[in-house]
This record gives sequence, structure tokens and C-alpha cells, in this order.
Amino acid sequence: QVQLQESGPSLVKPSGTLSLTCAVSGASISNNYWWTWIRQPPGNGLEWLGEIHHSGISNYNPSLKSRVTISVDKSKNQFSLNLDSVTAADTAVYYCATTGTYSYSYGHWGQGTLVTVSS
Amino acid sequence: EIGLTQSPGTLSLSPGERATLSCRTSQSIGSSHLAWYQQRPGQAPRLLIFGTSSRATGIPDRFSGSGSGTDFTLTISRLEPADFAVYYCQQYGGSALYTFGQGTKLEI
Repeated sequence: QVQLQESGPSLVKPSGTLSLTCAVSGASISNNYWWTWIRQPPGNGLEWLGEIHHSGISNYNPSLKSRVTISVDKSKNQFSLNLDSVTAADTAVYYCATTGTYSYSYGHWGQGTLVTVSS
Repeated sequence: EIGLTQSPGTLSLSPGERATLSCRTSQSIGSSHLAWYQQRPGQAPRLLIFGTSSRATGIPDRFSGSGSGTDFTLTISRLEPADFAVYYCQQYGGSALYTFGQGTKLEI
């Protein structure tokens, strides 16, 4: 069973960089899965941020493309999110997720981590 | 970007009743590209249905999905107390690749 666990700072200052890591267990990051970040502002819906394949292919939400980077660390079996130039609008619960064996949908999610952007 | 509109925004029902949730896309999508999730308070979303009508592992057969083109439906027969949650549809395709509907809150 694939398990995902997010980690990183819970508070980021405006104009700073939000950095999160997702540790993967129960599967290899080199599996033919897409590794993804999704966020949910408090009381609101879900927003797809982007995804990466172990081959290095990545795709991003155009609304955030210039600010977001997702990377893979095969040696640690984890992947990471960097979001630059954050504002209060980036305050959200951030989830890592993966398709696993499900095509075009996310069968496995981390528990989520709340990141607040505030001075 | 392909938009998704879920209706109703809130659905008030009782245990034992049948729930019908709608998801409409702004463009026609392939049947393999539509999924449904359940999110309980304080929890991550859980995949219920993928490929329009296939149940994810461990999902009871009270949950069923249907539809094609731009109109998709999630049906929950014989509601149980644990089913009262927020439900999201999700599609694959378009410039943002994956987008979610705004959610339907199923309340008692």
C-alpha cells in the first residue's frame, strides 16, 4: 500500500519560498506513477499544482507555472514542492498524492499539511 | 482550461435515502478522464470512482458513477451516516491538466 507523508515549515513569510517534501513508502519513486501536489485553501476546494514523473517530466498548472517547481529525489524516495514569491493567497493545506495504478485520478494521498503565509 | 460545475452545492438527505450528485464539464471529455472523491472534515480526499464508473479498491457498491460527454453523475444508494461529507468531481485534460469541481456538501 502506497503511503505518503508531507513535511515542511507550517509558516512562511510573504515573498518567501514555500518548500515541502513528500516521503513515499510502500512504492518506489521510480514506479511508473505521477507524483503530484494539490492544495486546498481553508474552507475552499481543491487546486492541482503540478506533477512529476521519475524520468524528470513535469507538468504545472499554468496559473502558477512561473512560481512552482516539483522535483524528485530517487535516493531518498521522495519528491518536493517549491513555490516562490508566496502571498497570503497561498495559505492552504498542501497534499501530496499519486495516481498509483489508477489512470487520470489520485488513489493515494498524504494526510496534508497546513502552510500559513504570514509575517 | 476545462471548467467543472457541480450541483447542487448542498444536498440535504436522511440516512437510507438515495443521493444523486451532478458534475458538468465545459467541454466534452473522455470517460476515462472523470473521477469522484469523498472528503470528510479534517481528512484528505478519498478516491471513490475513476474512469466515470469504476469503483476504487474498498469502495462499497452503494457508490456508483455514470455519464458521458459533459454530464456525469455520482449516485449513493442507501445513505449511511459516514457518507455525509463533501464530494468532488475531477477531470483530466485541458491546459491545467487536472481540475476539480467546487464540491457538493452532502448533509443530514
